[in-house]
Amino acid sequence: EADIYQTPRYLVIGTGKKITLECSQTMGHDKMYWYQQDPGMELHLIHYSYGVNSTEKGDLSSESTVSRIRTEHFPLTLESARPSHTSQYLCASSAALNTQYFGPGTRLTVL
Amino acid sequence: AQSVTQLDSHVSVSEGTPVLLRCNYSSSYSPSLFWYVQHPNKGLQLLLKYTSAATLVKGINGFEAEFKKSETSFHLTKPSAHMSDAAEYFCVVSGLSGGYNKLIFGAGTRLAVHP
Repeated sequence: EADIYQTPRYLVIGTGKKITLECSQTMGHDKMYWYQQDPGMELHLIHYSYGVNSTEKGDLSSESTVSRIRTEHFPLTLESARPSHTSQYLCASSAALNTQYFGPGTRLTVL
Repeated sequence: AQSVTQLDSHVSVSEGTPVLLRCNYSSSYSPSLFWYVQHPNKGLQLLLKYTSAATLVKGINGFEAEFKKSETSFHLTKPSAHMSDAAEYFCVVSGLSGGYNKLIFGAGTRLAVHP
């Protein structure tokens, strides 16, 4: 079982609010990832990071932003939430080019 | 370019009977292949992975998968289904893209297990 954590697990929030989804890992992995998963669908990469102070956009365009100030922490922020942001957000990490380990996810609902 | 196709969106089996979840991949070079499982309201858990060692890969919870290059397949099997196996299963191919190990997910197969 991988040591990667996400909070909150569930979030229901109104339109226009700023939100931050937290992701932390205790494995010392350099690479971290954020995926978006709509109900019943596959995962799509929205952000990734090679290491501290490194962030890149993924395959799926997203209005969210990320930061990587510490190796273990990779938060995702939405400045102004909208109903179209309703989805599940999954964080993952990996050591170099190895297997990605996933957190439990945050299920976001924007009203 | 790499891609992965899961041939069944839903599979339903009786408890105690075999499970077969089918996956075909496309890759221009020897891929790394994975199966992940996602239980309701949970994150993804790695079941098993193939990384060019033995073609028959054993994973957790009695699952195994066989890499068949000639058929470009990586089907997931289990001899006897258990109620706790009911979940969504994702076949995943991994490759290098821009310096990171990009994961390409299949659409998923929802496994239902009936008493």
